[in-house]
Amino acid sequence: NAGVTQTPKFQVLKTGQSMTLQCAQDMNHNSMYWYRQDPGMGLRLIYYSASEGTTDKGEVPNGYNVSRLNKREFSLRLESAAPSQTSVYFCASSESRLPNYGYTFGSGTRLTVV
Amino acid sequence: GQQLNQSPQSMFIQEGEDVSMNCTSSSIFNTWLWYKQDPGEGPVLLIALYKAGELTSNGRLTAQFGITRKDSFLNISASIPSDVGIYFCAGPGSGSARQLTFGSGTQLTVLP
Repeated sequence: NAGVTQTPKFQVLKTGQSMTLQCAQDMNHNSMYWYRQDPGMGLRLIYYSASEGTTDKGEVPNGYNVSRLNKREFSLRLESAAPSQTSVYFCASSESRLPNYGYTFGSGTRLTVV
Repeated sequence: GQQLNQSPQSMFIQEGEDVSMNCTSSSIFNTWLWYKQDPGEGPVLLIALYKAGELTSNGRLTAQFGITRKDSFLNISASIPSDVGIYFCAGPGSGSARQLTFGSGTQLTVLP
């Protein structure tokens, strides 16, 4: 069971470049999420998709866009990367839109913007 | 937004020692979750708590849902090297969406 798969694992971008982070889950989960992790700040929600066909902003959405391509896949796009977007990005999924039973996380994408 | 204050930020302990960490919220929770993140990996759910006063164990880990419903505690007994990592508390966020909100984490280092 792969769970939540994120690609790429590492990426270095120049300021102003664009890229898309890919995420796929094989657990037939309805809800998917993108978080970023910065030292001392825990995990902060960027965007989420409560169900296929819907997306909503989280706590820190500026500079990002998302696409829920189908039930399995949820991508995160940086249109014009900035050094402040240097972070570790985690995708997660859950069966229910309610948070009570927790989320399953991928292993992360480590992004550096120079 | 929702505030989760987790302490301590970091801990250096000797192998075999017990560890305690806690998390407080600015509002009442109906769920507390504890996650562990191994170096280079994503967080993994350790324990989930659903009722005030609830005490739940997972091996050497024990977590408690505070009776005020605004705090939670995680204890690790007889620490071993593989306990190294970042421990996060999490709970439902504020607002109608109520997505998971995470504390800032406790970085645990176990010295041999």
